[in-house]
Amino acid sequence: DVKVTQSSRYLVKRTGEKVFLECVQDMDHENMFWYRQDPGLGLRLIYFSYDVKMKEKGDIPEGYSVSREKKERFSLILESASTNQTSMYLCASIPPGATGYTFGSGTRLTVV
Amino acid sequence: GQSLEQPSEVTAVEGAIVQINCTYQTSGFYGLSWYQQHDGGAPTFLSYNALDGLEETGRFSSFLSRSDSYGYLLLQELQMKDSASYFCAVPHHNQGGKLIFGQGTELSVKP
Repeated sequence: DVKVTQSSRYLVKRTGEKVFLECVQDMDHENMFWYRQDPGLGLRLIYFSYDVKMKEKGDIPEGYSVSREKKERFSLILESASTNQTSMYLCASIPPGATGYTFGSGTRLTVV
Repeated sequence: GQSLEQPSEVTAVEGAIVQINCTYQTSGFYGLSWYQQHDGGAPTFLSYNALDGLEETGRFSSFLSRSDSYGYLLLQELQMKDSASYFCAVPHHNQGGKLIFGQGTELSVKP
């Protein structure tokens, strides 16, 4: 089975901190995605990547950046954390042509 | 743009059958998928329909009508462990691999 691993299950950070959320998948998938999930708003796409060093903005990229230096790792960066970035962050991967994402277990980030 | 609508919550009793509906608006359609998410957990992929009709996988079935821009997830012989949120999703019309999700339906199964 494909495994998508997010490095932290829970994080608490201070306003203004630079925050790194790491995601690693073990099946050589090209496509990787970062979503945030908030009550009443569902899953919203922040950034995605189709290959190493490639990145595309999703629907809500403001305040975030990403890094994909290796195929298996896709990092989400909060440049200067703010309280409105308190959320559940979900990483997902999928190979080309497949129909179902594999999600990581999520990182619940609280910015205080 | 693309959007999906599904009910925010559904309640049913153990052993019953429940249907979770999803209507979508999209400029190009490639298929409708369903995900299950237990409280505090990650979404897990359940099913994908690219063609009209019913696809059955055990107690869960998924239906699609492309002419009506409509699909549903059917859960039979409900169990307490089926209490979860269920999301429908469609691929973005010109960015393959990117999914647009509905806001989710919270299913509560009562004894």
